[in-house]
Amino acid sequence: DTGVSQNPRHKITKRGQNVTFRCDPISEHNRLYWYRQTLGQGPEFLTYFQNEAQLEKSRLLSDRFSAERPKGSFSTLEIQRTEQGDSAMYLCASSPKGGDRGGEQYFGPGTRLTVT
Amino acid sequence: GNSVTQMEGPVTLSEEAFLTINCTYTATGYPSLFWYVQYPGEGLQLLLKATKADDKGSNKGFEATYRKETTSFHLEKGSVQVSDSAVYFCALIPFSGGYNKLIFGAGTRLAVHP
Repeated sequence: DTGVSQNPRHKITKRGQNVTFRCDPISEHNRLYWYRQTLGQGPEFLTYFQNEAQLEKSRLLSDRFSAERPKGSFSTLEIQRTEQGDSAMYLCASSPKGGDRGGEQYFGPGTRLTVT
Repeated sequence: GNSVTQMEGPVTLSEEAFLTINCTYTATGYPSLFWYVQYPGEGLQLLLKATKADDKGSNKGFEATYRKETTSFHLEKGSVQVSDSAVYFCALIPFSGGYNKLIFGAGTRLAVHP
């Protein structure tokens, strides 16, 4: 068990560019979450996958954001036409089936995005 | 709506001091409650949890009791160590079918000095 991994760890991009982040969950976990954390705040929920199905999206996830989880394994989060307000830490978490109410979400180290 | 409010930091303590970090919540129904910890340079880790009223979660010397009457889940530790320096997040999962997301407070930074 290598834990949840995220790549890249840091990304600096210019405003208007597109960026894509990858999350590899713990292998036997079928549930995957994306959160966004800005400086001095707690993580905010963005979206949730159960296997390959995207079951919930926050209103924070504007049309410029899209997330996929093909084949129910790794997930990608793409931001198109980045804005300075997108600068944040993007966190991925996974959990096994039935673990959610127990809060057993395992977090990756995050991808820090800086939009200049 | 559902929300979590926790005391602002930073909290600065000397080693072996008593720690309390206050957390209150607003939620419909009966949420599950959690404390997560983020050590410097590391990802969020679940510290402890309680899934129903009057439950006490405990781990690594930390404790928190689910108080429905005061909608609180305060984190306590009797004797902190330098290694406890981290950011602590109180969080909840609402009790509602289909809701799986964690709702976090803003976090409280703890600094413990020798």
